[in-house]
Amino acid sequence: QKEVEQNSGPLSVPEGAIASLNCTYSDRVSQSFFWYRQYSGKSPELIMSIYSNGDKEDGRFTAQLNKASQYVSLLIRDSQPSDSATYLCAVGLNTGGFKTIFGAGTRLFVKA
Amino acid sequence: DGGITQSPKYLFRKEGQNVTLSCEQNLNHDAMYWYRQDPGQGLRLIYYSQIVNDFQKGDIAEGYSVSREKKESFPLTVTSAQKNPTAFYLCASTGQGGLKPQHFGDGTRLSIL
Repeated sequence: QKEVEQNSGPLSVPEGAIASLNCTYSDRVSQSFFWYRQYSGKSPELIMSIYSNGDKEDGRFTAQLNKASQYVSLLIRDSQPSDSATYLCAVGLNTGGFKTIFGAGTRLFVKA
Repeated sequence: DGGITQSPKYLFRKEGQNVTLSCEQNLNHDAMYWYRQDPGQGLRLIYYSQIVNDFQKGDIAEGYSVSREKKESFPLTVTSAQKNPTAFYLCASTGQGGLKPQHFGDGTRLSIL
């Protein structure tokens, strides 16, 4: 079983719609959760961090964490064509050293 | 501006050659990481270092070596033992506290001649 799983997509949404990206993780001792955006040929860019259960909002982005279900999601409201990218879910844990495990990413296309 | 600088942006390796990828950060971060990303794939951890003069193997360390002589610098050598080195290599760092997010350099794209 992969440690961090994401649907590879592509997820296609029309401009102005809500894009919903999902991620599950296997290690119950995971303590921190991140969403990164990666444009083609570029490095990942942090867009959200979340550490406790519930929702965290930042502009058009909302991260949701449910530790009991080992589930983290990212909602993008009013999606724009510039949001088209691969979104990486990442989980931080302490296994005798701090490590971050990345999912393979979900490709998002926002159609104008 | 603080950040992570990777060089070169593009690198070509000949058969049997070792090449070294540079990673420098001025964020005063303790921990530094090297990842490999293949097309359509996620990030795989090669090596990481949480303190100067100490580093640990990640999931795919074979064929790679690192050093951490200075806090600011964490170079990665891709040795001739790495038979499939073509990939996008990313260096990242994070501040003390471990569970903070990692910040990435712009990456080095390595290809075989």
